[in-house]
Formats: sequence, structure tokens, C-alpha cells
Amino acid sequence: QKEVEQDPGPLSVPEGAIVSLNCTYSNSAFQYFMWYRQYSRKGPELLMYTYSSGNKEDGRFTAQVDKSSKYISLFIRDSQPSDSATYLCAIPHSLYNQGGKLIFGQGTELSVKP
Amino acid sequence: DAGVTQSPTHLIKTRGQQVTLRCSPKSGHDTVSWYQQALGQGPQFIFQYYEEEERQRGNFPDRFSGHQFPNYSSELNVNALLLGDSALYLCASSGTRSDTQYFGPGTRLTVL
Repeated sequence: QKEVEQDPGPLSVPEGAIVSLNCTYSNSAFQYFMWYRQYSRKGPELLMYTYSSGNKEDGRFTAQVDKSSKYISLFIRDSQPSDSATYLCAIPHSLYNQGGKLIFGQGTELSVKP
Repeated sequence: DAGVTQSPTHLIKTRGQQVTLRCSPKSGHDTVSWYQQALGQGPQFIFQYYEEEERQRGNFPDRFSGHQFPNYSSELNVNALLLGDSALYLCASSGTRSDTQYFGPGTRLTVL
């Protein structure tokens, strides 16, 4: 079983739709959860991170963690064509060093159609 | 403020050759990590350098080696290239004030 699993998609939605992106993880001890966005031919950029369970909101983006189910989600409201990218969930492997090895999901390719 | 830079942008090599990729971290950062991203996959951790020492290593063979210089820049070396080494190689930097890893644009390596 992979430590972090993510549906690769691709996912295509119309502009203005609500997008839900999800990952599952295997180690219940993981505490930090991150979402990166990667545009074509670019490096990943950090969108949001959350600690432990609960929600975190930043503009049109909401990150949600359900530790009981080992399930993390990223919601995008009022999606825009500029949101078209690959979204990667990532978890620090070390419980004590968030700057160390990151374990990434496979990435979900999102396309928002005008 | 320059972000993480990597060179070259693209590289084509043949099987058996050796390659060196370079990375300059974001200003103020002292830690450099390298990742390999195969097409359609998430990045896989290769290793991390801090204070010119390899601090952490992923599941990559010894053909993958690295170096960090006193100015915190770093090199990734891959020997005896295989077709399966074709990927986007990403460098990420972080600092003691923040563990957040900032990624460079990557070097796309094609092995023929």
C-alpha cells in the first residue's frame, strides 16, 4: 500500500464549478498535510497546509483533514480556467521535521473549461 | 528576490552516460532537497543536503549522488544513466526560519 494515494483524474469541470480533490494516507501518525499546485512545465508551488484535523480556508480554496478516515481534501469554489493545473497532496514523512522528505500523491490533473 | 533556480532546463543523454544537474536555493535558504518526477507521477524524494552533508535519503540507488557547496547551492549527479531515469528533476529549498519547501522549475532529463 502506498503511503499517500491520490486519484490521478483527469478531472474536467465547467468554469464556476466547485471542485473536490482528495487523497488518502496510511500512517495515522501523520500530522501535517499540504497541497501543491503544479502548472505545466513548472515546479510545484505550495497552496495550503493544515495541521491535524479540521478545515482551513484561503480565498476560494478550502483544505480539509479527516484523521479518523485518513482522508484529506481540497475544495475549490468558483473554479476559473486559471485553476487548470495538477494538484498534488503532500505529507512530511517525519513527524518532527516538516522540512524533510515529502511524500507526494500521484497528482490530479484538473481542467476548468470556460 | 530570486526563487529557486535550476540549470539546465532540458538535457538529452544516452544510456550509460553521466549527468550533473545544478540548483541555487532561494535567498536565505540553507537546505536543498532533490526530487524525481516521472511523467504522470508525483515527485519522489531523492535526498536532502544541509551544511554540505547528506541529511536524508530516499530509495534511490547509489548511482544518484549529490553535493552541497558552501554557498548552499547543490548538484545532483547521476551515473550510468538508464532509460528509466528520464524524468523531471526538481530541486526544493527551505530554511531554518521556515520548513516550507520552495520548488524550482526543474530540469527535464531525457535518456535515449
